[in-house]
Amino acid sequence: EAAVTQSPRNKVAVTGGKVTLSCNQTNNHNNMYWYRQDTGHGLRLIHYSYGAGSTEKGDIPDGYKASRPSQENFSLILELATPSQTSVYFCASGGGGAETLYFGSGTRLTVL
Amino acid sequence: GDSVTQTEGLVTLTKGLPVMLNCTYQTTYSPFLFWYVQHLNEAPKLLLKSSTDNKRTEHQGFYATLHKSSSSFHLQKSSVQLSDSALYFCALNPSGGNYKPTFGKGTSLVVHP
Repeated sequence: EAAVTQSPRNKVAVTGGKVTLSCNQTNNHNNMYWYRQDTGHGLRLIHYSYGAGSTEKGDIPDGYKASRPSQENFSLILELATPSQTSVYFCASGGGGAETLYFGSGTRLTVL
Repeated sequence: GDSVTQTEGLVTLTKGLPVMLNCTYQTTYSPFLFWYVQHLNEAPKLLLKSSTDNKRTEHQGFYATLHKSSSSFHLQKSSVQLSDSALYFCALNPSGGNYKPTFGKGTSLVVHP
């Protein structure tokens, strides 16, 4: 079974602070994704990556940066967190063509 | 661009009744279609997938048939159980070298005793 691990599981941040969400996959998948989930909006794509060193903007990239230093790791960075970024964030790997997406357990972020 | 439409935001049913959750899509490429299920406080996970036109795919009592002529991939079950209460997402992977999956907004299924 494919494994995607996110950390932290829960995070409380202050407005204007920097937040880094981490994701690690042991599936050797090239593609990795960051989504946020809010009631009424489903899963919205923030950033994605085709492999180490690459990052691409998703549908809602404003206020977020991403980093893919290796095949296994993909981080989401909020340089200046705002309350509107309070959400549940999911990392996923896979997803090309016929490939299934495998999701991590999610990070619940609260920005006060 | 690609799009996936799920027309129902919430479906409420009594245990034992049949259900159909609608999914239609738009893409210029030959599609791979997926249904993901997300139970409360869990991550989404694959329920079933297909890329073969007019072939029924089944898993855990759920089934769906990809119809390219109508761009549809509706999810069905003949008799829902309490444990089927969850959020269901339809998703599309295009085959044209773009590895950006597109999700519908999801349908919340609530099954009552």
